[in-house]
Amino acid sequence: DSGVTQTPKHLITATGQRVTLRCSPRSGDLSVYWYQQSLDQGLQFLIQYYNGEERAKGNILERFSAQQFPDLHSELNLSSLELGDSALYFCASSAGPGDYGYTFGSGTRLTVV
Amino acid sequence: GENVEQHPSTLSVQEGDSAVIKCTYSDSASNYFPWYKQELGKRPQLIIDIRSNVGEKKDQRIAVTLNKTAKHFSLHITETQPEDSAVYFCAASATGGSYIPTFGRGTSLIVHP
Repeated sequence: DSGVTQTPKHLITATGQRVTLRCSPRSGDLSVYWYQQSLDQGLQFLIQYYNGEERAKGNILERFSAQQFPDLHSELNLSSLELGDSALYFCASSAGPGDYGYTFGSGTRLTVV
Repeated sequence: GENVEQHPSTLSVQEGDSAVIKCTYSDSASNYFPWYKQELGKRPQLIIDIRSNVGEKKDQRIAVTLNKTAKHFSLHITETQPEDSAVYFCAASATGGSYIPTFGRGTSLIVHP
């Protein structure tokens, strides 16, 4: 167990729907990062939050949004889902914005049908 | 932004052989280079990292080398074992700017018994 908790582990939904993925960072970590990993693809950075504030943004679609709550857990909201959004979504956490210690959660596998 | 190229995409070796995976990066400001191992269906796990002030780092059977002048770094695995079979990702990031690692596309290492 890495200490980074992601729920749910699996999610199957229809096109056009909206889902929320949840991440609880490792105890003491203030930064949360979201990554998307499609089949045979690398890890695509989506967005980072540090202590409740958005810190950096990657190639995140406008249909996707995220937030980090006062208790430091984070949610990634995916809306108007398309077949191409099917992927593994990983959350990672680190102690601070410049901390190199990066721990991944086990991921949420999203299947859009 | 940073661009990380990783080669080869697939590497097949016999148990006991050595394996080498190479990455190049584009941003000369990058100064932190982690390597992650991802087993099938599991989360990426940090296996070794190197900072720009050193040229080589070893941890048992794995080692990483860095050539800042040429902007490339490599992962070396000696005496490979079947349990080394996984996808390996390199990444590069920099302080002073974005702390978000840019990942390579991954190398699928297959170790045949």
